[in-house]
Amino acid sequence: GAVVSQHPSRVICKSGTSVKIECRSLDFQATTMFWYRQFPKQSLMLMATSNEGSKATYEQGVEKDKFLINHASLTLSTLTVTSAHPEDSSFYICSARTTDSFNQPQHFGDGTRLSIL
Amino acid sequence: AQSVTQPDIHITVSEGASLELRCNYSYGATPYLFWYVQSPGQGLQLLLKYFSGDTLVQGIKGFEAEFKRSQSSFNLRKPSVHWSDAAEYFCAVGAGRGSTLGRLYFGRGTQLTVWP
Repeated sequence: GAVVSQHPSRVICKSGTSVKIECRSLDFQATTMFWYRQFPKQSLMLMATSNEGSKATYEQGVEKDKFLINHASLTLSTLTVTSAHPEDSSFYICSARTTDSFNQPQHFGDGTRLSIL
Repeated sequence: AQSVTQPDIHITVSEGASLELRCNYSYGATPYLFWYVQSPGQGLQLLLKYFSGDTLVQGIKGFEAEFKRSQSSFNLRKPSVHWSDAAEYFCAVGAGRGSTLGRLYFGRGTQLTVWP
């Protein structure tokens, strides 16, 4: 079945550094990728919708300059957390879909646990 | 605005017992509804989905869900729970248009604990 690979699975870094998370669709072309953030014991909150070759659409309250999203190809989207601080520590999950139709479900990566010291 | 409510934060059942996880949604149009399962530290796996047609949908791992428009509900059920079913379960409604088509709105999740 369709597989989405997310890398790294876990990252620990110092405050002030930038962290890049990759999301790859391994066996299909992902026209759209989504980035979610999940706090402990809470639901997934959509951060942004990323369409290949165009600018990402951010949800209200998500800082565009803080969370840089690039979707340069049909198989790769990246989320860069710039100048990360402890409050950015969270579980980040990406998902990908092949078409705009809900008949094609989203396929989720296994997530990235980000810890900022 | 669309929203999803999962009123039960944590449910505990004995292995072999039946299970029902509740989900209510708010959406102005015909909803696309989903149930996902998440194991600790993992991404989400789709259990089942409802788009149209038969209001009782079958999913993987023996799960089923029933769409009730009059109650705005999409409850997940399983007749006999296995210890491996212990996980977090999320209900979601699909919405969005244009550049955000395909976005999912998730409920807060229900943590399922299974006693042996």
